[in-house]
Amino acid sequence: DQQVKQNSPSLSVQEGRISILNCDYTNSMFDYFLWYKKYPAEGPTFLISISSIKDKNEDGRFTVFLNKSAKHLSLHIVPSQPGDSAVYFCAAKYYNQGGKLIFGQGTELSVKP
Amino acid sequence: DSGVTQTPKHLITATGQRVTLRCSPRSGDLSVYWYQQSLDQGLQFLIQYYNGEERAKGNILERFSAQQFPDLHSELNLSSLELGDSALYFCASSSGHSEAFFGQGTRLTVV
Repeated sequence: DQQVKQNSPSLSVQEGRISILNCDYTNSMFDYFLWYKKYPAEGPTFLISISSIKDKNEDGRFTVFLNKSAKHLSLHIVPSQPGDSAVYFCAAKYYNQGGKLIFGQGTELSVKP
Repeated sequence: DSGVTQTPKHLITATGQRVTLRCSPRSGDLSVYWYQQSLDQGLQFLIQYYNGEERAKGNILERFSAQQFPDLHSELNLSSLELGDSALYFCASSSGHSEAFFGQGTRLTVV
């Protein structure tokens, strides 16, 4: 049962343009959502998060949008830079589950110079 | 540097053997999580410990076990290893209902 889904395995974007990574979830109990970035041979690095009581959170070039009715969240990166090339994982959790994160399959972002 | 330390970084062992992976969480974090990432797969939650007690269990095989010690470091024990157990194993730690910080992982190769 894939509770968190990232349907695009890969995305290619030109440097300077916007990157939009999408994530869908099925469990309406989730109350906290996170995005992680992962380079090969490294552990995932926390990027940005959003609580279910919000619909938008911004941190510099990164913005996460949450649409609870559609059970959908997205990560916008503007402007995209070659150093953003990595695998991005969407994750979700809910308080009563002790904080464990349920991850999507990841989207590999490639930003071309 | 996330502050989470995992050892060893790489491990090569034969089928049927047993290995122990070690994780030191960030200072002050009481929760430790173990995840497995197989080739081209997402991160699968295995197990969580909170202040020495098992808190949540995921898709962890019976051949696998974990524990968290009084100093909060954790060990993941994998026994009767099979070729399919080859994967990256990540440890993460967190405090409260916040983001988890991941270690660099242990790459296990079973030959």
